[in-house]
Amino acid sequence: DAGVIQSPRHEVTEMGQEVTLRCKPISGHDYLFWYRQTMMRGLELLIYFNNNVPIDDSGMPEDRFSAKMPNASFSTLKIQPSEPRDSAVYFCASSLAGGGDEQFFGPGTRLTVL
Amino acid sequence: GIQVEQSPPDLILQEGANSTLRCNFSDSVNNLQWFHQNPWGQLINLFYIPSGTKQNGRLSATTVATERYSLLYISSSQTTDSGVYFCAVVVDNNDMRFGAGTRLTVKP
Repeated sequence: DAGVIQSPRHEVTEMGQEVTLRCKPISGHDYLFWYRQTMMRGLELLIYFNNNVPIDDSGMPEDRFSAKMPNASFSTLKIQPSEPRDSAVYFCASSLAGGGDEQFFGPGTRLTVL
Repeated sequence: GIQVEQSPPDLILQEGANSTLRCNFSDSVNNLQWFHQNPWGQLINLFYIPSGTKQNGRLSATTVATERYSLLYISSSQTTDSGVYFCAVVVDNNDMRFGAGTRLTVKP
């Protein structure tokens, strides 16, 4: 298996632009997670899906952030409009089951908003 | 919410030395994982260890769930072991909480 795939690996954009991050989970995994890593806050959960349905989005920082999972093999995290404080590394992870099952992380997308 | 504390925050070793990293958590957990974040930023799964002991090559881990701590042992350290080691736990839901990490530097 190729593991969790994320694209792009690096994204540089200007303030106010729309940014879309993409993730393909491990095939057969029912849970998909989006995390953000910053120097100030470390790694924190933004949202997770179970069988393509968003379950908990309490970690999403504000309305500028949205996430979708249109099918079992694809998810997007969108920021519109982007701001410099959104600069971070965004990780996608997946797990076979919930309830604390082992999570596997993608390589991350390093986002820089100028 | 649950608190996850890792120690030491920084560790510098000479190649070949052994080390022990500690993770304390403040509540019962369903899951505990150790990760290595390499210098390229990738999070590598080391252990899924909500309880008990596991070994993988030069690395081993022990979680004592009743006492709410986990230890990661690195033996005969190599320069490629450098990076940040994270402990992460899941309590009742699927919210994984990470510690602040231990930054390990192994010098040749």
